[in-house]
Amino acid sequence: QKEVEQNSGPLSVPEGAIASLNCTYSDRVSQSFFWYRQYSGKSPELIMSIYSNGDKEDGRFTAQLNKASQYVSLLIRDSQPSDSATYLCAVKYSGAGSYQLTFGKGTKLSVIP
Amino acid sequence: ETGVTQTPRHLVMGMTNKKSLKCEQHLGHNAMYWYKQSAKKPLELMFVYSLEERVENNSVPSRFSPECPNSSHLFLHLHTLQPEDSALYLCASSQDPSGGGEQYFGPGTRLTVT
Repeated sequence: QKEVEQNSGPLSVPEGAIASLNCTYSDRVSQSFFWYRQYSGKSPELIMSIYSNGDKEDGRFTAQLNKASQYVSLLIRDSQPSDSATYLCAVKYSGAGSYQLTFGKGTKLSVIP
Repeated sequence: ETGVTQTPRHLVMGMTNKKSLKCEQHLGHNAMYWYKQSAKKPLELMFVYSLEERVENNSVPSRFSPECPNSSHLFLHLHTLQPEDSALYLCASSQDPSGGGEQYFGPGTRLTVT
């Protein structure tokens, strides 16, 4: 059973702080990793993708991947109240005919003004 | 229209009704997906169509029937649903027909079965 684990939260951070969201996955042979943001009542919105070990930065967001530890994280710098949402980690596992993304349950982030 | 659109946005149906959900992607993508999102559960993949061919069906009950007439349109036909089928149904698409790469979601259909 391939699994993606996230702390459900809520994770509360003050405005302007760094929010750190973590995700672990169960299959060593995984290809692609994604972070989605989902506001309440809305659909998931892709915010970051990462495919190789190390850091990937996009504006205030940094994704970090460590395949040896089977760990992917998302850092949000200078957190804003508008960042308050549920963040979903998704993993694309390898294997012939494997088409799906496996999602975690999500971490709810609350940025306090 | 841009991105991925879904209609209707909200649907209330009785257990004996038949209805259909529609999805359209305007991104020129090659794969389309149906997901179910229930409260406190991870997103569950239901069906995948790659290049208009169904390539994955994750043990979904037969009361859900997908249809993909072309690469831009995807339907989910519903009949004799159960109250536990009430959920947010999300359509997504991706450029990569193998399912890799980035998936983009539509706004979803909030389904309530009474």
